[in-house]
Amino acid sequence: AQTVTQSQPEMSVQEAETVTLSCTYDTSESDYYLFWYKQPPSRQMILVIRQEAYKQQNATENRFSVNFQKAAKSFSLKISDSQLGDAAMYFCAYKWDTGTASKLTFGTGTRLQVTL
Amino acid sequence: DAGITQSPRYKITETGRQVTLMCHQTWSHSYMFWYRQDLGHGLRLIYYSAAADITDKGEVPDGYVVSRSKTENFPLTLESATRSQTSVYFCAAVRDRNTGELFFGEGSRLTVL
Repeated sequence: AQTVTQSQPEMSVQEAETVTLSCTYDTSESDYYLFWYKQPPSRQMILVIRQEAYKQQNATENRFSVNFQKAAKSFSLKISDSQLGDAAMYFCAYKWDTGTASKLTFGTGTRLQVTL
Repeated sequence: DAGITQSPRYKITETGRQVTLMCHQTWSHSYMFWYRQDLGHGLRLIYYSAAADITDKGEVPDGYVVSRSKTENFPLTLESATRSQTSVYFCAAVRDRNTGELFFGEGSRLTVL
């Protein structure tokens, strides 16, 4: 079964600094998608960034970038120049296909605090 | 874009009562999902639907029932609520069929006393 592991329940970063959130996953597939979702206190789930496994180049979205290590099955999220609005729960997710649908499996989340 | 609407946003009920959480999408996306979010477990898939009248179990389906008579609606019913079903429930639809990216509703917080 596909599993996603986020080993850091909580992280803290000072404003304007850089922080990296870890994620590992287990799969036997060669092509798949990985995602990072952000959940602020409003509870809304917001897509931060996606990565397709066959693309070796790491995805980047403004201050957010990933370090995708396919062989190690690692997909970490780097947040640069952290802002107070980055404080949230962050979930790593893996997309896998069954015979009838594509589904996402989520990690347990990392709560990020941003301090002044 | 408020494409997915969940109701109610908050619900308190008692053990043994039937509860239905509603989910409505303004698009016509085929794939829809129900997840529950619990501390220490992240989001776990309860049920999903590939199209109208096609539903299938996810990771934690026990105690839940779904239906999908119309593409835009995907209600989740707890036939006899238990305290272990106290959770935040998210409805989602596939926003991009190529990537499998999900778009979520705002969640429904259910408390079972």
